[in-house]
Amino acid sequence: KAGVTQTPRYLIKTRGQQVTLSCSPISGHRSVSWYQQTPGQGLQFLFEYFSETQRNKGNFPGRFSGRQFSNSRSEMNVSTLELGDSALYLCASSSGLAGVGETQYFGPGTRLLVL
Amino acid sequence: AQSVTQLGSHVSVSEGALVLLRCNYSSSVPPYLFWYVQYPNQGLQLLLKYTSAATLVKGINGFEAEFKKSETSFHLTKPSAHMSDAAEYFCAVRTSNTGNQFYFGTGTSLTVIP
Repeated sequence: KAGVTQTPRYLIKTRGQQVTLSCSPISGHRSVSWYQQTPGQGLQFLFEYFSETQRNKGNFPGRFSGRQFSNSRSEMNVSTLELGDSALYLCASSSGLAGVGETQYFGPGTRLLVL
Repeated sequence: AQSVTQLGSHVSVSEGALVLLRCNYSSSVPPYLFWYVQYPNQGLQLLLKYTSAATLVKGINGFEAEFKKSETSFHLTKPSAHMSDAAEYFCAVRTSNTGNQFYFGTGTSLTVIP
């Protein structure tokens, strides 16, 4: 079974631009979560989508948004990029049905650099 | 609120020595606890998880962790370190009253000295 894939793997943008990152979950998984990883703040939860609906949201400004498609693929968008948005963005997938103890499988991440 | 504290942002051990990575959690409800490992330029890989069954949990690559409610701890151990264990390790907690999101610790970087 193919793992979680994220595209692109690396991205360079300038301040003020917007960016869209993509995540394809493991086949059959309906839940996709996004995390931001930075040296200063560590791993922080952005949001979770399940069956095309946002099920949970972290404490990030409205510039960060996401969506999920009917095939469970998910995208996250960051508008008006700031230098502080430079980070590794990780996507994780799970069935979304097995509750709190369910394992989430992480993709390799997209490394975003904002200049 | 839920939180995780990992004591020691950097740990160095000799090859063949015991690995002990510390994790303490704070939770007002029964927690589910996870250890993940991250190799350079890669995502997170699950090592093991505690989901209220056995308190001693065995994971991949010879790692295990013991859930101690009285100490609110979930320390990760491995009897004998291998060079390939060098990586970043993250402890995480999830609870049913926080929408199932992970709260991660700040990570511990493990160095294995030959």
